[in-house]
Amino acid sequence: EPEVTQTPSHQVTQMGQEVILRCVPISNHLYFYWYRQILGQKVEFLVSFYNNEISEKSEIFDDQFSVERPDGSNFTLKIRSTKLEDSAMYFCASRMIDNNQPQHFGDGTRLSIL
Amino acid sequence: RKEVEQDPGPFNVPEGATVAFNCTYSNSASQSFFWYRQDCRKEPKLLMSVYSSGNEDGRFTAQLNRASQYISLLIRDSKLSDSATYLCVVNKRGSQGNLIFGKGTKLSVKP
Repeated sequence: EPEVTQTPSHQVTQMGQEVILRCVPISNHLYFYWYRQILGQKVEFLVSFYNNEISEKSEIFDDQFSVERPDGSNFTLKIRSTKLEDSAMYFCASRMIDNNQPQHFGDGTRLSIL
Repeated sequence: RKEVEQDPGPFNVPEGATVAFNCTYSNSASQSFFWYRQDCRKEPKLLMSVYSSGNEDGRFTAQLNRASQYISLLIRDSKLSDSATYLCVVNKRGSQGNLIFGKGTKLSVKP
């Protein structure tokens, strides 16, 4: 069964540094998403991406964050000038074009900011 | 009011028990409904979509009541492997499908 893959599985970074989290969505999916989950809290939507542009973003997704689809397969989340409170699990998800179709999640990147 | 609210849990049940989870959502514009399960420190995995007429998948039955903005999940004949956190998830009409998650209800099935 096709799956969403994410790298790295764990990223440890000093506060103030930039990180790039990578995702390869399922190949025939057209909508891509990033979510985050702070330890012990619920999963929160960050951003959705369709047709090579951001289609929706949450208030969490401020100027510190950016997304990109640099080629036909990768989908990246960049966090500039990381803060301690950026420590969380970051999940990438994708789905087919039908809005009622479920999203399939990658196994996440654990980001630890020191 | 929280967008998606779930039973606080945890639910501790013996193998073979039947257990029910409830969920309410605040936005009447919600369009699609799902139950995901999440194992400790893992990604959410789709358990089932929830349809207006109710639907069943093996030991799992989901119900939706749009008038009451209420979703339920019933698990029959619980297995040890059912131990996980169950996430009630909705998306909004008019959004790009971004999902709104409940905080989840933890289930622990004991031998």
